[in-house]
Amino acid sequence: QQQVKQSPQSLIVQKGGISIINCAYENTAFDYFPWYQQFPGKGPALLIAIRPDVSEKKEGRFTISFNKSAKQFSLHIMDSQPGDSATYFCAASISEGNDMRFGAGTRLTVKP
Amino acid sequence: ETGVTQSPTHLIKTRGQQVTLRCSSQSGHNTVSWYQQALGQGPQFIFQYYREEENGRGNFPPRFSGLQFPNYSSELNVNALELDDSALYLCASSLGAQPSYEQYFGPGTRLTVT
Repeated sequence: QQQVKQSPQSLIVQKGGISIINCAYENTAFDYFPWYQQFPGKGPALLIAIRPDVSEKKEGRFTISFNKSAKQFSLHIMDSQPGDSATYFCAASISEGNDMRFGAGTRLTVKP
Repeated sequence: ETGVTQSPTHLIKTRGQQVTLRCSSQSGHNTVSWYQQALGQGPQFIFQYYREEENGRGNFPPRFSGLQFPNYSSELNVNALELDDSALYLCASSLGAQPSYEQYFGPGTRLTVT
């Protein structure tokens, strides 16, 4: 059922560094691409989302880059902080649908 | 404004049994989506309820069923439990059925089938 491939599986970054997580999708009908952050014992929480009519969206330290022709999108976390340590999921869906497809997740550890 | 709550937090069942999981949606939300999250994996869409009607279903067998009540809370029922049903079950509520409406997830119910 997974139509969204996410990499890397885990990532270790030093405090202040840039964290980059990549996702690739197959279904060209997808037109909504959110990223979720999940802390242990909690459900995922929406971090930032993008539609394919723009190539980049920035909110604070978080940026989504989107490449429609390559069917890829990525999350960049600038100035990574220990509090950013969590599991990050990319997802994709069709706006008129109701089925959100998630990647397998990336466990990010930011070392102080 | 209260967030999405789920009960119970943890549950242990035996293969072949039936289980009911509950979700209280955020105030004002009319849509609840249920997901199964296996260990180390992303959530997988089970189904969605919009204004008390099933509004889409993922690739799950009929032994996974649900309900949504007039107050928009919801139940997930799983019959004839199998070992592979062991997972974290998440519900998410939203203001509308489309994915572009932000989904607010509960903390999940951890189901273990032995």
